[in-house]
Amino acid sequence: QVQLQQWGAGLLKPSETLSLTCAVYGGSFGTYYWTWIRQTPGKGLEWIGEINHSGSTNYNPSLKSRVTISVDMSRNQFSLKLTSVTAADTAIYYCARESRGPDCWGQGTQVTVSS
Amino acid sequence: DVVMTQSPLSLPVTLGQPASISCRSSQSLVYSDGNTYLNWFQQRPGQSPRRLIYKISNRESGVPDRFSGSGSGTGFTLKISRVEAEDVGVYYCMQGTHYPWTFGQGTKVEIK
Repeated sequence: QVQLQQWGAGLLKPSETLSLTCAVYGGSFGTYYWTWIRQTPGKGLEWIGEINHSGSTNYNPSLKSRVTISVDMSRNQFSLKLTSVTAADTAIYYCARESRGPDCWGQGTQVTVSS
Repeated sequence: DVVMTQSPLSLPVTLGQPASISCRSSQSLVYSDGNTYLNWFQQRPGQSPRRLIYKISNRESGVPDRFSGSGSGTGFTLKISRVEAEDVGVYYCMQGTHYPWTFGQGTKVEIK
């Protein structure tokens, strides 16, 4: 049974870079795409982007200029970086396994952007 | 982007009674491989979302059979045949056919 565990800084100042990492346990890392999604009270659930084991990515155009998703096959981990954050980036960030719809989710990380 | 529109946004239900949530997409969700990548998620209070249904009507392992999905093209429905207390939460539809994937606004199911 696959499990995802995520971590990263929860409090950022405006203009800083958000950085989160997700570790995948239980195998199948090389078979799927892996995704980041965020949730805000105002905009609901928003798909950020995805990556596969070979580093092929797809991003949401609304965030593409600020987002980088990377992968570390040796550790079965993938990461999210979001630059130049503002208060609008305050959200719960989730990592998940992608199957044209996330079928297994991490526990979520609350990220707050505040001066 | 494909806009996913759910109704109702709030659904008070009586225990043991059926419930139904509608989801409409702004364009067809039929993919070039013939599949329709329409998903339904449940999010209980304080938890991560959980996928219930994929490709319109396929239940994930462990999902009770009181949950069912139907529809085609641009119109889809999630039905709960008999609502139980553990079904309280927010339900989302989501399309995985057209990038970027997009979600509905969510329907909050509560017990009357």
